[in-house]
Amino acid sequence: GAVVSQHPSWVICKSGTSVKIECRSLDFQATTMFWYRQFPKQSLMLMATSNEGSKATYEQGVEKDKFLINHASLTLSTLTVTSAHPEDSSFYICSATGLSHYEQYFGPGTRLTVT
Amino acid sequence: ILNVEQSPQSLHVQEGDSTNFTCSFPSSNFYALHWYRWETAKSPEALFVMTLNGDEKKKGRISATLNTKEGYSYLYIKGSQPEDSATYLCAFMDSSYKLIFGSGTRLLVRP
Repeated sequence: GAVVSQHPSWVICKSGTSVKIECRSLDFQATTMFWYRQFPKQSLMLMATSNEGSKATYEQGVEKDKFLINHASLTLSTLTVTSAHPEDSSFYICSATGLSHYEQYFGPGTRLTVT
Repeated sequence: ILNVEQSPQSLHVQEGDSTNFTCSFPSSNFYALHWYRWETAKSPEALFVMTLNGDEKKKGRISATLNTKEGYSYLYIKGSQPEDSATYLCAFMDSSYKLIFGSGTRLLVRP
């Protein structure tokens, strides 16, 4: 149980285009989903927290207009990187919590490369 | 800025060796300490969620201890096997349920 999927697992896009990444909880209802980013040799850094049906809360330094998060249902959250630049190239990973806020279940991540 | 430190960064051991890693974290505003095991191209897998000072948890050959007063946790692997090769992440959870991760310890177990 508690499986989270992410799609796509990797994507290459050109500068200036937008990319959407999906995060789904497959066998539970996710009250809260989190989006993280990891640069090479660094920790997973929290970007934003989203609750179903409400606006995401972004961490300091994360541009909300650039990283659009939609949590439209209890099983799906999307992260759209708008007007992507090479410096947005990174590993993006989501997690989800169910009834217990203690436990976060992670997806396998998405490798984004912007050329 | 809250800082979670893990050491060592990487570790190579021989099959059958026992090993341990350290995670240090802020001792204030503590809610829980998480350990994850992360293999390449897979989702991080939750190992332990620890909440109480003095907590000790065990899962097969892997165990963990927690000291919230001094802000550290140890993860132990007894009799390492090649399939234990992975990156081990610890994460500090504050009262808002946010996770702050360390950089991880990369373990390689040689057959």
